[in-house]
Amino acid sequence: DIQMTQSPSSLSASVGDRVTITCRASQSIGNYLNWYQQKPGKAPKLLIYAASSLQSGVPSRFSGSGPGTDFTLTIGSLQPEDAATYYCQQSFSPPWTFGQGTKVEIK
Amino acid sequence: QVQLQESGPGLVRPSETLSLTCSVSGGSISNYYWTWIRQPPGKGLEYIGYIHYSGDTNYNPPLRNRVTISLDTSGNQFSLNLRSITAADTAVYYCARGDNHDRGRCEIWGQGILVTVS
Repeated sequence: DIQMTQSPSSLSASVGDRVTITCRASQSIGNYLNWYQQKPGKAPKLLIYAASSLQSGVPSRFSGSGPGTDFTLTIGSLQPEDAATYYCQQSFSPPWTFGQGTKVEIK
Repeated sequence: QVQLQESGPGLVRPSETLSLTCSVSGGSISNYYWTWIRQPPGKGLEYIGYIHYSGDTNYNPPLRNRVTISLDTSGNQFSLNLRSITAADTAVYYCARGDNHDRGRCEIWGQGILVTVS
């Protein structure tokens, strides 16, 4: 199985800050990398697919980079509604695997 | 737009079989990949498996010998059966739709259903 390692596991930042979350795959996965946002008690929501493509309806302050083994999710200007846990997921080879999540809190 | 809704028991006894159904509305279940994912309380996401309307299936190896995912095209729904369950199977279970160009890309999710094994 492909292992996905996210960092940091949590972070606290102020409104307006630029926030970056990293995700490393245990082998090259091309651009088969997706990012999800999950708020408490809710289902995950697809934010970014194919490493850098913005899902329809997602604010443009979210962006992603890749491909290969190292990926990043960037929130360009953190907003209060961005408080959530973020997960990366590889869709290169089943079984699909997720990172352990990064909890983003607002200071 | 397409919506997914999980249904099934919220409490299951150990050693029994968990059966969940995901109803698809606003679109056809034909085409696309239909996926189950679970999340134990306070933990991360775990892929269970998927089924394609063609019959193609894939299961996560640790669960493979206990899991069956099936499709009901006439009912526009798909199901999860998980056998010989234990407390470790307590989780929120989500159904999701995978993209035809990227099977693992889950662009639509159900709201989730909490299943407690006790």
